[in-house]
Amino acid sequence: AQSVTQPDIHITVSEGASLELRCNYSYGATPYLFWYVQSPGQGLQLLLKYFSGDTLVQGIKGFEAEFKRSQSSFNLRKPSVHWSDAAEYFCAVGAYNQGGKLIFGQGTELSVKP
Amino acid sequence: DTGVSQDPRHKITKRGQNVTFRCDPISEHNRLYWYRQTLGQGPEFLTYFQNEAQLEKSRLLSDRFSAERPKGSFSTLEIQRTEQGDSAMYLCASTHSGLTDTQYFGPGTRLTVL
Repeated sequence: AQSVTQPDIHITVSEGASLELRCNYSYGATPYLFWYVQSPGQGLQLLLKYFSGDTLVQGIKGFEAEFKRSQSSFNLRKPSVHWSDAAEYFCAVGAYNQGGKLIFGQGTELSVKP
Repeated sequence: DTGVSQDPRHKITKRGQNVTFRCDPISEHNRLYWYRQTLGQGPEFLTYFQNEAQLEKSRLLSDRFSAERPKGSFSTLEIQRTEQGDSAMYLCASTHSGLTDTQYFGPGTRLTVL
């Protein structure tokens, strides 16, 4: 079955520290992978996406993610976190053989300490 | 910049009442998706449209739920005889037809069933 797992429900980091959010997926073919961010009262905003090619993907707001097929992972990273990065982060896989619907993980809530 | 809009943003209703939500996608986007997000979870796929055709419905979409997209423009999601378990955020997203295209999300409609 297709699924996405985000092992960390809640992470707290200090402002200026580095960040890594974990994402593991289960999908029967080459996946299309996404990271979205959701701030309170806001819709989901795309941070970055991976379809093919270079496995290190750059996104907006200084985020990057690396696709590792052997580990079925697509972890999100940022070298220096800002207080405004506090939000909920969702990893998703695009089921391109099912109309392109997105299958989301349960999310990781990021808190940033001053 | 005209993004995806949803109306209303909040809806409080009593159990047993019918409710209808509206989604206006980005113009010229052919595909429109509905997702449901409960507290502490990632969004879950409900249904999607290619132009005016509803191509897939999730098992989450019981007989009390119906969605339409007349003329391939805006879409409505109706819930009949609401139950407390229907309380959730209902998200709409739109995209071009290509399976690798980004899904752009609206701000959502938060439904509370008393």
